[in-house]
Amino acid sequence: KQEVTQIPAALSVPEGENLVLNCSFTDSAIYNLQWFRQDPGKGLTSLLLIQSSQREQTSGRLNASLDKSSGRSTLYIAASQPGDSATYLCAAGTNAGKSTFGDGTTLTVKP
Amino acid sequence: GAVVSQHPSWVICKSGTSVKIECRSLDFQATTMFWYRQFPKQSLMLMATSNEGSKATYEQGVEKDKFLINHASLTLSTLTVTSAHPEDSSFYICSATYPTPDTQYFGPGTRLTVL
Repeated sequence: KQEVTQIPAALSVPEGENLVLNCSFTDSAIYNLQWFRQDPGKGLTSLLLIQSSQREQTSGRLNASLDKSSGRSTLYIAASQPGDSATYLCAAGTNAGKSTFGDGTTLTVKP
Repeated sequence: GAVVSQHPSWVICKSGTSVKIECRSLDFQATTMFWYRQFPKQSLMLMATSNEGSKATYEQGVEKDKFLINHASLTLSTLTVTSAHPEDSSFYICSATYPTPDTQYFGPGTRLTVL
């Protein structure tokens, strides 16, 4: 059974700092790895989707990498801003379309 | 990109009543949709797989008689929480895969509060 772990559970940084969020998964036979953002009381916003054949994806200040062999993915946020404050979830997807989510990292960016 | 909508976005109901949540794929046909549940301060857990024209497949520990899923068309899946109780209060999110299973689109979620 797939298990997804995110470290750290919470992170507080000053504005402008670069940061890395970590995601690990136990079963490397994933079809994709997706990073989401969730604001308090809100739904999911998809940030980046990495297919199993890819190593990384970039969108603006965000860069996500995937290393299937080691069961790890990282989300890099450059030049963090207070508006980046949210909970970030990673999810490992199967070829049947199911996703297993981590517990998330709650990020606070202080002005 | 593909869009998945949910209705309602939030609902408050009394204990013992039933609540129906809709999940629609707006610009594509989805033969398979998924329902997830998120309790406060926790992550999303898969509840069931909804297949168009056939019975849903439920994950272990999810009561199929309590959470009725109907996937009557290629663009609509519904989740009915029957005889809801306060412990069913949660955030329910659906997803659909398109055009292949490796690409998933998530709905915005429905927040259910049972008083």
